[in-house]
Amino acid sequence: EAQVTQNPRYLITVTGKKLTVTCSQNMNHEYMSWYRQDPGLGLRQIYYSMNVEVTDKGDVPEGYKVSRKEKRNFPLILESPSPNQTSLYFCASASTGVYSPLHFGNGTRLTVT
Amino acid sequence: QKEVEQNSGPLSVPEGAIASLNCTYSDRGSQSFFWYRQYSGKSPELIMSIYSNGDKEDGRFTAQLNKASQYVSLLIRDSQPSDSATYLCAVANFNKFYFGSGTKLNVKP
Repeated sequence: EAQVTQNPRYLITVTGKKLTVTCSQNMNHEYMSWYRQDPGLGLRQIYYSMNVEVTDKGDVPEGYKVSRKEKRNFPLILESPSPNQTSLYFCASASTGVYSPLHFGNGTRLTVT
Repeated sequence: QKEVEQNSGPLSVPEGAIASLNCTYSDRGSQSFFWYRQYSGKSPELIMSIYSNGDKEDGRFTAQLNKASQYVSLLIRDSQPSDSATYLCAVANFNKFYFGSGTKLNVKP
Protein backbone atom coordinates (compact mmCIF):
# COMPACT_ATOMS: atom_id res chain seq x y z
CA GLU A 1 0.00 0.00 0.00
CA ALA A 2 1.30 3.44 -0.98
CA GLN A 3 1.68 5.50 2.15
CA VAL A 4 3.53 8.03 4.24
CA THR A 5 4.34 6.68 7.69
CA GLN A 6 5.04 8.90 10.66
CA ASN A 7 6.11 7.85 14.13
CA PRO A 8 5.21 8.29 16.87
CA ARG A 9 1.53 9.23 16.67
CA TYR A 10 1.57 10.85 20.10
CA LEU A 11 4.51 12.28 22.01
CA ILE A 12 4.70 14.07 25.34
CA THR A 13 8.05 15.49 26.33
CA VAL A 14 9.64 18.16 28.49
CA THR A 15 11.28 21.41 27.51
CA GLY A 16 14.80 20.97 26.19
CA LYS A 17 14.78 17.21 25.64
CA LYS A 18 15.83 16.45 22.08
CA LEU A 19 13.39 14.43 20.00
CA THR A 20 13.02 13.07 16.49
CA VAL A 21 9.83 12.39 14.57
CA THR A 22 10.38 9.93 11.76
CA CYS A 23 8.76 10.02 8.32
CA SER A 24 9.04 7.45 5.57
CA GLN A 25 7.33 7.11 2.19
CA ASN A 26 7.21 4.10 -0.12
CA MET A 27 6.12 5.87 -3.32
CA ASN A 28 9.58 6.90 -4.56
CA HIS A 29 8.53 10.54 -4.27
CA GLU A 30 11.16 13.20 -4.79
CA TYR A 31 9.49 15.91 -2.70
CA MET A 32 8.95 15.64 1.05
CA SER A 33 7.93 18.24 3.59
CA TRP A 34 6.88 18.87 7.18
CA TYR A 35 3.93 20.95 8.41
CA ARG A 36 2.53 22.00 11.72
CA GLN A 37 -1.16 22.60 12.23
CA ASP A 38 -2.43 24.95 14.90
CA PRO A 39 -6.02 26.11 15.54
CA GLY A 40 -6.86 29.17 13.48
CA LEU A 41 -3.49 29.13 11.70
CA GLY A 42 -3.95 26.21 9.39
CA LEU A 43 -1.11 24.14 8.02
CA ARG A 44 2.25 25.89 7.90
CA GLN A 45 5.29 24.51 6.14
CA ILE A 46 8.37 23.95 8.32
CA TYR A 47 10.92 22.47 5.90
CA TYR A 48 10.85 20.79 2.54
CA SER A 49 13.19 18.67 0.46
CA MET A 50 13.31 18.46 -3.32
CA ASN A 51 15.56 15.37 -3.28
CA VAL A 52 18.31 13.59 -1.36
CA GLU A 53 20.62 16.04 0.39
CA VAL A 54 18.51 19.01 -0.82
CA THR A 55 16.51 20.73 1.91
CA ASP A 56 15.18 24.24 2.38
CA LYS A 57 13.25 26.31 4.88
CA GLY A 58 9.51 26.73 4.80
CA ASP A 59 7.63 29.48 6.57
CA VAL A 60 8.24 28.44 10.19
CA PRO A 61 11.66 26.70 10.38
CA GLU A 62 12.88 28.18 13.69
CA GLY A 63 13.60 25.47 16.28
CA TYR A 64 13.52 22.59 13.79
CA LYS A 65 16.07 20.62 11.80
CA VAL A 66 15.68 18.09 9.02
CA SER A 67 17.87 15.79 6.99
CA ARG A 68 17.36 13.81 3.77
CA LYS A 69 20.05 11.16 3.55
CA GLU A 70 17.81 8.66 1.78
CA LYS A 71 15.00 9.33 -0.68
CA ARG A 72 12.36 7.59 1.41
CA ASN A 73 13.13 9.15 4.84
CA PHE A 74 12.76 12.70 6.08
CA PRO A 75 13.03 12.97 9.88
CA LEU A 76 12.11 16.11 11.82
CA ILE A 77 14.42 16.97 14.71
CA LEU A 78 13.65 19.27 17.63
CA GLU A 79 16.95 19.73 19.40
CA SER A 80 15.58 21.78 22.31
CA PRO A 81 11.79 21.65 22.26
CA SER A 82 9.80 24.47 23.83
CA PRO A 83 6.11 24.67 24.78
CA ASN A 84 5.33 26.82 21.73
CA GLN A 85 6.20 23.80 19.58
CA THR A 86 3.22 21.93 20.99
CA SER A 87 1.24 21.19 17.84
CA LEU A 88 -0.03 18.59 15.39
CA TYR A 89 2.68 17.72 12.87
CA PHE A 90 2.25 16.22 9.42
CA CYS A 91 4.79 14.82 7.04
CA ALA A 92 3.84 14.79 3.37
CA SER A 93 5.35 13.75 0.07
CA ALA A 94 4.70 14.57 -3.57
CA SER A 95 5.89 12.92 -6.73
CA THR A 96 7.50 15.90 -8.43
CA GLY A 97 7.16 18.89 -6.16
CA VAL A 98 4.54 21.57 -6.56
CA TYR A 99 3.09 20.16 -9.80
CA SER A 100 1.77 17.11 -7.98
CA PRO A 101 -0.44 16.80 -4.90
CA LEU A 102 0.81 16.13 -1.40
CA HIS A 103 0.15 12.79 0.29
CA PHE A 104 0.02 13.11 4.06
CA GLY A 105 1.07 10.88 6.91
CA ASN A 106 -1.28 10.25 9.83
CA GLY A 107 0.18 13.00 11.96
CA THR A 108 2.10 13.30 15.23
CA ARG A 109 0.54 15.12 18.15
CA LEU A 110 3.37 16.63 20.16
CA THR A 111 3.00 18.13 23.62
CA VAL A 112 5.95 19.93 25.21
CA THR A 113 5.58 20.70 28.92
CA GLN B 1 -1.73 39.43 4.20
CA LYS B 2 -2.06 35.67 4.25
CA GLU B 3 -1.11 33.76 1.13
CA VAL B 4 -4.37 31.82 1.04
CA GLU B 5 -7.67 33.01 2.48
CA GLN B 6 -10.77 30.98 3.22
CA ASN B 7 -13.96 31.73 5.10
CA SER B 8 -13.70 29.69 8.28
CA GLY B 9 -17.44 28.96 8.37
CA PRO B 10 -19.15 26.95 9.50
CA LEU B 11 -21.08 26.55 6.27
CA SER B 12 -24.30 24.66 6.86
CA VAL B 13 -26.23 23.06 4.01
CA PRO B 14 -29.08 20.54 3.99
CA GLU B 15 -28.49 17.04 2.69
CA GLY B 16 -28.78 16.91 -1.09
CA ALA B 17 -27.92 20.58 -1.59
CA ILE B 18 -24.91 22.10 -3.33
CA ALA B 19 -22.12 23.30 -1.07
CA SER B 20 -19.93 26.08 -2.44
CA LEU B 21 -16.51 26.69 -0.93
CA ASN B 22 -14.26 29.57 -1.93
CA CYS B 23 -10.61 30.44 -1.63
CA THR B 24 -8.50 33.42 -2.71
CA TYR B 25 -4.74 33.62 -2.99
CA SER B 26 -2.28 36.48 -3.14
CA ASP B 27 0.56 35.34 -5.41
CA ARG B 28 -0.24 35.70 -9.11
CA GLY B 29 2.63 33.34 -9.93
CA SER B 30 0.99 30.41 -8.18
CA GLN B 31 1.17 27.28 -10.27
CA SER B 32 -0.92 24.53 -8.73
CA PHE B 33 -4.12 24.43 -6.72
CA PHE B 34 -5.58 21.72 -4.53
CA TRP B 35 -8.58 20.99 -2.35
CA TYR B 36 -8.22 18.70 0.65
CA ARG B 37 -10.79 17.36 3.08
CA GLN B 38 -9.84 16.90 6.71
CA TYR B 39 -11.92 15.15 9.33
CA SER B 40 -11.31 16.12 12.93
CA GLY B 41 -8.06 14.61 14.22
CA LYS B 42 -7.21 13.06 10.86
CA SER B 43 -4.81 13.91 8.08
CA PRO B 44 -5.84 15.88 4.99
CA GLU B 45 -7.09 13.83 2.05
CA LEU B 46 -6.83 15.06 -1.52
CA ILE B 47 -10.13 15.80 -3.28
CA MET B 48 -9.06 17.65 -6.41
CA SER B 49 -6.05 19.12 -8.17
CA ILE B 50 -6.43 21.89 -10.74
CA TYR B 51 -3.69 23.56 -12.72
CA SER B 52 -5.34 25.64 -15.46
CA ASN B 53 -8.23 28.07 -15.69
CA GLY B 54 -11.71 26.64 -15.92
CA ASP B 55 -13.67 23.83 -14.36
CA LYS B 56 -12.62 20.30 -13.47
CA GLU B 57 -15.20 17.73 -12.46
CA ASP B 58 -14.73 14.49 -10.54
CA GLY B 59 -17.91 12.76 -9.45
CA ARG B 60 -19.87 15.07 -7.16
CA PHE B 61 -16.99 17.54 -6.95
CA THR B 62 -16.19 20.43 -9.29
CA ALA B 63 -13.17 22.66 -8.86
CA GLN B 64 -13.08 26.04 -10.56
CA LEU B 65 -9.96 28.13 -11.09
CA ASN B 66 -9.81 31.78 -12.15
CA LYS B 67 -6.21 32.97 -12.20
CA ALA B 68 -7.10 36.51 -13.29
CA SER B 69 -9.26 36.95 -10.20
CA GLN B 70 -6.98 34.76 -8.05
CA TYR B 71 -9.67 32.52 -6.71
CA VAL B 72 -10.38 28.83 -6.54
CA SER B 73 -13.70 27.28 -5.64
CA LEU B 74 -15.06 23.84 -4.88
CA LEU B 75 -18.64 22.79 -5.50
CA ILE B 76 -20.02 19.68 -3.84
CA ARG B 77 -23.24 18.45 -5.42
CA ASP B 78 -25.76 16.27 -3.62
CA SER B 79 -24.05 16.94 -0.29
CA GLN B 80 -24.09 14.06 2.18
CA PRO B 81 -23.68 14.07 5.98
CA SER B 82 -20.40 12.21 5.41
CA ASP B 83 -19.13 15.34 3.61
CA SER B 84 -19.16 17.19 6.93
CA ALA B 85 -15.51 18.09 7.47
CA THR B 86 -13.06 20.95 7.13
CA TYR B 87 -12.02 21.74 3.56
CA LEU B 88 -8.54 23.07 2.98
CA CYS B 89 -7.48 25.07 -0.05
CA ALA B 90 -3.80 24.74 -0.97
CA VAL B 91 -1.78 26.79 -3.42
CA ALA B 92 1.72 25.91 -4.59
CA ASN B 93 4.53 27.93 -6.11
CA PHE B 94 8.33 28.00 -6.01
CA ASN B 95 8.61 24.62 -4.26
CA LYS B 96 6.29 25.62 -1.42
CA PHE B 97 2.72 24.75 -0.54
CA TYR B 98 0.49 27.27 1.22
CA PHE B 99 -2.72 26.30 2.96
CA GLY B 100 -5.76 28.26 3.97
CA SER B 101 -7.12 27.85 7.49
CA GLY B 102 -10.01 25.79 6.14
CA THR B 103 -13.78 26.07 5.87
CA LYS B 104 -15.85 23.86 8.13
CA LEU B 105 -18.80 22.31 6.30
CA ASN B 106 -21.83 20.87 8.12
CA VAL B 107 -24.29 18.86 6.06
CA LYS B 108 -27.54 18.45 7.97
CA PRO B 109 -29.62 15.28 7.40
